[in-house]
Amino acid sequence: KAGVTQTPRYLIKTRGQQVTLSCSPISGHRSVSWYQQTPGQGLQFLFEYFSETQRNKGNFPGRFSGRQFSNSRSEMNVSTLELGDSALYLCASSLRGDNTEAFFGQGTRLTVV
Amino acid sequence: AQSVTQPDIHITVSEGASLELRCNYSYGATPYLFWYVQSPGQGLQLLLKYFSGDTLVQGIKGFEAEFKRSQSSFNLRKPSVHWSDAAEYFCAVGAGNSGYALNFGKGTSLLVTP
Repeated sequence: KAGVTQTPRYLIKTRGQQVTLSCSPISGHRSVSWYQQTPGQGLQFLFEYFSETQRNKGNFPGRFSGRQFSNSRSEMNVSTLELGDSALYLCASSLRGDNTEAFFGQGTRLTVV
Repeated sequence: AQSVTQPDIHITVSEGASLELRCNYSYGATPYLFWYVQSPGQGLQLLLKYFSGDTLVQGIKGFEAEFKRSQSSFNLRKPSVHWSDAAEYFCAVGAGNSGYALNFGKGTSLLVTP
């Protein structure tokens, strides 16, 4: 059974640009959550999608957005990139999104220069 | 509001020695508790979880954790550490409702010496 796949693994962007990250959950899983990991703030919850609906959102500015498709694949978008957006972005997949068990991808390392 | 505290930023243990990583949480009800491990450049791997029932839970790789409601703690233990256990360890709490959102501690970095 394939795990959670995040693409790309690494990205370098310039301030002011926008970026889209992709996450393919484990087959059959309908919940996808996104987290930002930085050395200073640690792991912070961004948002969660279940069956194409955003059910929960963390405390991030509106520049951070996401969506989920009918096949449960999810994308997150960050517009008008800032240096502080440099981070490891992790996606987690779970069957129902009820905190029973989540499986994480390897993450996308975003560097903003 | 939920919060998770991992008091130890770094811990160094000798290979073969026992290990205990501390985790304290703040939450009104019985939380869902997790321990994850992260190797450099990798995602998070679930070691174990506690939802209810037996307060001593067994996980993968020989790890166990004990839920102590009176102390609001969920400490991770391993009787004999292997060099491959060197990694970052995160304690997390979930609300137990829908809309998956884990609240993570800042992590404890484990160094294993020969």
